[in-house]
Amino acid sequence: AQSVTQLGSHVSVSEGALVLLRCNYSSSVPPYLFWYVQYPNQGLQLLLKYTSAATLVKGINGFEAEFKKSETSFHLTKPSAHMSDAAEYFCAVRFNQAGTALIFGKGTTLSVSS
Amino acid sequence: DTAVSQTPKYLVTQMGNDKSIKCEQNLGHDTMYWYKQDSKKFLKIMFSYNNKELIINETVPNRFSPKSPDKAHLNLHINSLELGDSAVYFCASSQEGSGLWGEQYFGPGTRLTVT
Repeated sequence: AQSVTQLGSHVSVSEGALVLLRCNYSSSVPPYLFWYVQYPNQGLQLLLKYTSAATLVKGINGFEAEFKKSETSFHLTKPSAHMSDAAEYFCAVRFNQAGTALIFGKGTTLSVSS
Repeated sequence: DTAVSQTPKYLVTQMGNDKSIKCEQNLGHDTMYWYKQDSKKFLKIMFSYNNKELIINETVPNRFSPKSPDKAHLNLHINSLELGDSAVYFCASSQEGSGLWGEQYFGPGTRLTVT
């Protein structure tokens, strides 16, 4: 069975500071991993994905994530936070099989202060 | 152009009523999904259809019935609504088997409130 754990339900940073959102996964087969962002009252937008190519994945809005198999982690980072980054972030995993669903972590709320 | 659209965006109804939520995607994808986001923002799959065939049917009350009239549409009908059905329902779509594994595109959500 697959599962995702996001450490820290709420992360607060200052504008310009490093953003680090943690995600650990459990999977019996090589997973596909994703980070989605949800702004208030909106749908989910894909930030980046890992599908067994490069382990360091670059996404939109300056975010990146590194797949570490030995640590079963896929942490999301951004060197310098911006006020507009404040949102809910979800890590998700799925099998590489047609039609299978995303299994989401519980989400991390990112707050950015000036 | 909206990729995945849902109607209505907000739905307020009373317990015991029957309601439907519609979803349409114009991405040419072959797979569509319904997810439920609860009050704690936890997202969980309900159903998925691949080429109009039901693939995933999670442990969901049989008051919930999905219907896919064609590959571009996936509707969700809910009978005898209960207070616990209040949530945000998201439709999503993806193209499977083409090297774009797992990249699901989400609609804006339908916020259902049952009173």
